[in-house]
Amino acid sequence: QSALTQPPSASGSLGQSVTISCTGTSSDVGGYKFVSWYQQHPGKAPKLMIYAVGERPAGVPDRFSGSKSGNTASLTVSGLQAEDEADYYCSSYGGSDNLVFGGGTKLTVL
Amino acid sequence: QVQLVQSGAEVKKPGASVKISCKASEEAFGNHHMHWVRQAPGQGLEWMGIVNPGGGGATYAQSFEDRVSMTRDTSTSTVYVELRSLRVEDTAVYYCARSAFWGGYDWGQGTLVIVS
Repeated sequence: QSALTQPPSASGSLGQSVTISCTGTSSDVGGYKFVSWYQQHPGKAPKLMIYAVGERPAGVPDRFSGSKSGNTASLTVSGLQAEDEADYYCSSYGGSDNLVFGGGTKLTVL
Repeated sequence: QVQLVQSGAEVKKPGASVKISCKASEEAFGNHHMHWVRQAPGQGLEWMGIVNPGGGGATYAQSFEDRVSMTRDTSTSTVYVELRSLRVEDTAVYYCARSAFWGGYDWGQGTLVIVS
């Protein structure tokens, strides 16, 4: 199972929006509605921000949204805040009870 | 929010085995599968496998299936991962995560394993 493809870095200014992509195949991202996104600050455990493509867990600001088109999922962060600066990872169900992660994207808030 | 508490850091020699525990709050155990994920220093997240605390069955990532075991103890609401034949490149932080919709919904605090 190959890792999902994410851009290594992304950036945006305070208050602006940024979108991070996560590209897989029809065997993972494109085939299921089980795409998740995680935020990870240095030295901390990952935190779930989006599950099932576009659902937000309780407590996650609605500035975070997820979507999918074909084999590519996207995480959009609107109204960027300083505390959004972190690493972001996507994951997708890959069939046969397997999960696959993306390589991660470092988000910088300018 | 479900609490997942993992065991402490380990230092192992190459070729040894390590067994890490993840204790879940009672209401979570048995109702949700648990992922095991690791993160090498400065690297991304790597999925190792998933265990069903209720039934005890597990599915392992292909890259680990010949040297990993995931088990559970229902009496203590604890899941375990054991990794055998450790290599220097197994040095990483190991996480358990409660699965929901195949995402890691709640995460343990992580367990650092150093192989040296």
